[in-house]
Amino acid sequence: QVQLQESGPGLVKPSQTLSLTCTVSGGSISSGSYYWSWIRQPAGKGLEWIGRIYTSGSTNYNPSLKSRVTISVDTSKNQFSLKLNSVTAADTAVYYCARVYCGGDCYYDYWGQGTLVTVSS
Amino acid sequence: QTVVTQEPSLTVSPGGTVTLTCASSTGAVTSGYYTNWFQQKPGQAPRALIYSTTNKHSWTPARFSGSLLGGKAALTLSGVQPEDEAEYYCLLYYGGAQVFGGGTKLTVL
Repeated sequence: QVQLQESGPGLVKPSQTLSLTCTVSGGSISSGSYYWSWIRQPAGKGLEWIGRIYTSGSTNYNPSLKSRVTISVDTSKNQFSLKLNSVTAADTAVYYCARVYCGGDCYYDYWGQGTLVTVSS
Repeated sequence: QTVVTQEPSLTVSPGGTVTLTCASSTGAVTSGYYTNWFQQKPGQAPRALIYSTTNKHSWTPARFSGSLLGGKAALTLSGVQPEDEAEYYCLLYYGGAQVFGGGTKLTVL
């Protein structure tokens, strides 16, 4: 059974960098049929796609966040990570990591439980 | 900036049928947008229901179906159950980027 688990600080100061890691268990992150995504959701609001990474290292980002976001992968640890710099209160949200299977059609199949990150001094 | 629009809220009676739609600010939604639909209940992560416009996952109840309708993507629930009360999100693919709709809060009453 594949599981994804987000981890990282729950509180980040304004202007600093938010760093989260998603640890994948029950399957290899290196499998060529998947890519790995980050999505966030402010309290009481909708979902926002942040970006994705293939295990080749190729990435795509939300244009509205592109200047501040970096997603990376560490296959040796079966993890992928999110860095969002210059954060403000508007970046306060539950952050989810997810796996997307791509073998012809693409679909989200596994999500982490989400982790709340609050930006506050 | 691309905007994906859904009905903010809909209400349906148990056993009834309801259609949720998903529109793109760039024009008509086609199969090339590979529409995904997700269900989210309070305090839970989203759960995938539909991918590539019409395809169901193995766990998707038969009463859920996806389609294209009048230039929009659509999610139809037939024979709605009380447990279908939830927030529903569509997701459209724009080349390398993806955009979620704002969500539809479905009330079963």
